[in-house]
Amino acid sequence: NAGVMQNPRHLVRRRGQEARLRCSPMKGHSHVYWYRQLPEEGLKFMVYLQKENIIDESGMPKERFSAEFPKEGPSILRIQQVVRGDSAAYFCASSPPERTSGYNEQFFGPGTRLTVL
Amino acid sequence: AQSVTQLGSHVSVSEGALVLLRCNYSSSVPPYLFWYVQYPNQGLQLLLKYTTGATLVKGINGFEAEFKKSETSFHLTKPSAHMSDAAEYFCAVSENSGNTPLVFGKGTRLSVIA
Repeated sequence: NAGVMQNPRHLVRRRGQEARLRCSPMKGHSHVYWYRQLPEEGLKFMVYLQKENIIDESGMPKERFSAEFPKEGPSILRIQQVVRGDSAAYFCASSPPERTSGYNEQFFGPGTRLTVL
Repeated sequence: AQSVTQLGSHVSVSEGALVLLRCNYSSSVPPYLFWYVQYPNQGLQLLLKYTTGATLVKGINGFEAEFKKSETSFHLTKPSAHMSDAAEYFCAVSENSGNTPLVFGKGTRLSVIA
């Protein structure tokens, strides 16, 4: 059973370009979370999505960042007009459908390391 | 709002010595608590978690942690450090419900000296 997959693993962009990060959740998982890890920092929550719905985007920067999780295909985190401060590791996690009680563990992908030149 | 404080951004121990990584949390609701390990250029791997029940939880690789509500702590321990334990360790908290985002501490880098 494949784990959470993210691609690309490394991405280099010049200032002003667009970055697209992809996340394929584990089989059977319908919830996706995106987190950002800045250098020397812990992971910070960005957005939580279910299929075709954004559930919580309270951690997303108001401009240039967007996320989607379509009915078919991977979840996409899109960063427009990247700046040097966007350089970070972006992690995706997935969890199974809602349970009536208890905790649904989040399984993390290997991350995409974005470098903005 | 929830928050996590990890005391010590870097901890160094000798091989075979006790490992103690400290974590204190703040939460207005009963928390779920987690420890994750991150090896260089890799994703996060769950070491252990506390959800309900027994407050002393055992995880993988010989690690364990104890939930102390009165101290709002969830410190991670291992009796005897191994070279392979060298990594970054993150404590995290979430609300006591099914699908909620995790709030992470800043991490503690563990070095193991031969």
